[in-house]
Parts: sequence; structure tokens; C-alpha cells
Amino acid sequence: NAGVTQTPKFQVLKTGQSMTLQCAQDMNHNSMYWYRQDPGMGLRLIYYSASEGTTDKGEVPNGYNVSRLNKREFSLRLESAAPSQTSVYFCASSVIMGTDQSPLHFGNGTRLTVT
Amino acid sequence: DQQVKQNSPSLSVQEGRISILNCDYTNSMFDYFLWYKKYPAEGPTFLISISSIKDKNEDGRFTVFLNKSAKHLSLHIVPSQPGDSAVYFCAAPLPRTNFGNEKLTFGTGTRLTIIP
Repeated sequence: NAGVTQTPKFQVLKTGQSMTLQCAQDMNHNSMYWYRQDPGMGLRLIYYSASEGTTDKGEVPNGYNVSRLNKREFSLRLESAAPSQTSVYFCASSVIMGTDQSPLHFGNGTRLTVT
Repeated sequence: DQQVKQNSPSLSVQEGRISILNCDYTNSMFDYFLWYKKYPAEGPTFLISISSIKDKNEDGRFTVFLNKSAKHLSLHIVPSQPGDSAVYFCAAPLPRTNFGNEKLTFGTGTRLTIIP
């Protein structure tokens, strides 16, 4: 049982390049999320998808787009990467959104460096 | 504006002793709180939660205490083991806006090191 799988694990981009971070979950969860983790900042929500067919902005959405491709997959796209987007990106999923009975399950992260 | 604060970036505790990790919050509307644990190069994993209607929740060696009047919660680990060395995040769902969804906000984390 893989849980939440993120690809790639590492990526180096030049300023202005684009890329898509992939995320897939095999737990039949309805809700999916993208977070970024920066030193001293904790985890900050970029975008989320409460259910298949819906997406919405989190705390720090600027510079990103997302696609909920189907119930399993939720991708994060950087159209024109900037050094400020250097971070560790985590995808997560939960059965539903908004209850303490449905904790988040996280992938192992993508470490992105933008030079 | 950090609504969930972990003011201690790091904590070292002897193996076998009690570890106490603290978290303060500013919003009295939070319904529940969660603790996540994170090892290096891995994603966070859910550890324990507490509803705002309770003041204590226990799961094995882990107990979370909630003091609503002080807007403070703490995670106690007894006894501490080397495998507990990790970064611990507290989190709470931001109250939902009209027809919106609850979104988790995280503290900045406390790195716990258990000394053998």
C-alpha cells in the first residue's frame, strides 16, 4: 500500500522554467492538498481540492496552478519558476476535509531548487 | 499572521524522561487541534488530536493537554525514546468562511532530540 506518492523527489530549475509536480494517492481519499515547507515557516497550504472536480486557493497560491486530474491524482504546476519557490513541496490527502477524524496523509515530498 | 505558534524551535530530552512540547494559539474559534510528527526526508505523519470540548486525550505514551483559557496546548511523551527524535508540528483548522472549507494551519515546528 503506497499511500501518497510524489514525483519527482528532487528537481533543480532555472528561473523562468516550468514544471509539474505529480501526486497520486491510492487510499480512495476525497480531498487532496499541496503544502510547501520553508525553514522557520512551518507548512503552508498552496492549493487544495476538497473533492474531485473542485480546487481552491490556500494561503500562498501565487505562482502556482493545480489540476485534480481524477480522484487519485492532483498535480501542481509552476509556470515560471522563481527563486522564492525554492522549497520542499508536500502533497497530502484525507478522507474528507474539515474534521479531526480525517487526518492528512502526506507524501515524502519534492525538494525543489530554483537558481 | 501565525495563528498557531510553537515558540521553541528545539528541545533535547534524556531517554526515559518526559518530553513536553508546547503550542499556543490566538483564535478561540478553533474546533480541534492535531499533532504531526516528521522525520527527515519523509512527510509528516498524524500523531494525535484533541477536540476543543476535551482537555486531555491520551494514546499510549502520547498525551495532549488543552487549556482553552490560556489558548495553550501541550504534547507529553512519556517515556521518551530515541525513535521520538523528530520535528513535531501542531495544527488547527482555520474556521470556515461562508460555504468554505476548513483549512489546516500549522505551527513552525519543534525539533525534539532524545539523548540516549
